[in-house]
Amino acid sequence: TQLLEQSPQFLSIQEGENLTVYCNSSSVFSSLQWYRQEPGEGPVLLVTVVTGGEVKKLKRLTFQFGDARKDSSLHITAAQPGDTGLYLCAGDRGAQKLVFGQGTRLTINP
Amino acid sequence: DAGITQSPRHKVTETGTPVTLRCHQTENHRYMYWYRQDPGHGLRLIHYSYGVKDTDKGEVSDGYSVSRSKTEDFLLTLESATSSQTSVYFCATGDSDQPQHFGDGTRLSIL
Repeated sequence: TQLLEQSPQFLSIQEGENLTVYCNSSSVFSSLQWYRQEPGEGPVLLVTVVTGGEVKKLKRLTFQFGDARKDSSLHITAAQPGDTGLYLCAGDRGAQKLVFGQGTRLTINP
Repeated sequence: DAGITQSPRHKVTETGTPVTLRCHQTENHRYMYWYRQDPGHGLRLIHYSYGVKDTDKGEVSDGYSVSRSKTEDFLLTLESATSSQTSVYFCATGDSDQPQHFGDGTRLSIL
């Protein structure tokens, strides 16, 4: 069983559309991280959210940490082909126990 | 670019042979990690190091060993490779107790 469930696992949309990716768990995390990974490369850290209810914005990307610190979402506004990639969430359970979700493979079509 | 180099980038070997993967960093980060990435599982922690000669097990450590004799190098060894260890292996580093920077991975195939 996956401790962190990401949904959807695959998403293909047209340029200009909005989308939301979800990361859910029954466990509480001290923080949650979002990464983006491109083919043949390692994950790149986008953001870390720490406080329940916290919202962070990175240009067209909005990250939210659930009030109970069990879930998170990533919202992309006006998606562009450059947003294509694998998006990973990871929850911090402390003491190097960073748990990753399975990933959401996002494709933005021109 | 966090100055992480993984070698080799690709390797094909046979079941039962020993394999060593190398991670080299130039940022002097205290913490180093080895993960494996498999479809449907995300990344799973194999071993990590919190200093020279200080290492500990992660979630999927069976069949793997590590060594860190210098701050900049973290080696992952498969003593006797099995087909279930076919995967993409990522090294990561950080100056806190969570990984912040990842290398570009080693694709390992065990036939």
